[in-house]
Amino acid sequence: ETGVTQTPRHLVMGMTNKKSLKCEQHLGHNAMYWYKQSAKKPLELMFVYNFKEQTENNSVPSRFSPECPNSSHLFLHLHTLQPEDSALYLCASSQDIDAWYGYTFGSGTRLTVV
Amino acid sequence: AQSVTQLDSHVSVSEGTPVLLRCNYSSSYSPSLFWYVQHPNKGLQLLLKYTSAATLVKGINGFEAEFKKSETSFHLTKPSAHMSDAAEYFCVVSEYSGGGADGLTFGKGTHLIIQP
Repeated sequence: ETGVTQTPRHLVMGMTNKKSLKCEQHLGHNAMYWYKQSAKKPLELMFVYNFKEQTENNSVPSRFSPECPNSSHLFLHLHTLQPEDSALYLCASSQDIDAWYGYTFGSGTRLTVV
Repeated sequence: AQSVTQLDSHVSVSEGTPVLLRCNYSSSYSPSLFWYVQHPNKGLQLLLKYTSAATLVKGINGFEAEFKKSETSFHLTKPSAHMSDAAEYFCVVSEYSGGGADGLTFGKGTHLIIQP
């Protein structure tokens, strides 16, 4: 375990469902991130939170809705997704927003939209 | 602005032979550099990092990388490949310019294949 825990590990959902991905870290990090990793594409930064405040939204469709209730928890709420949203969703954290010492990643949630 | 180029999308070596994964970067500032490894259906694990200390950096699992400013390179090496090294490897650069998460740029990855 890296210290960043993501649940669930796998999720299959229909296009009309609503589900949430959860990320939790107890490393004392102040910044948390959501990334999307699709087959044969580079990692895509989706959202950035610094001290619970969203600082970055990389033109992500509104069917993805992040929530950061505290510095240790990050959620990604999903609704009316499309099949092309199927991917590995990775959560990461860093001590500070400048990420000078890199990120700690979770193991990811493998999402399949049917 | 910063960028990372991983020169090989796939590298295949025989078990017990040396591994070389190549990475070149460009950066306007003094960067931090990282190598991450991703095994199938897993998250990214930090292998090693360079943050302006010694230019030869040793990481986990016998990997090391050398920061060469004159060549703007940060190649990853291992003297003897093991079957468990088969994975995707990402070179990453962090350029602190006050830009937050935009300061972290990932390469496209190199898929390392180990032949028995």
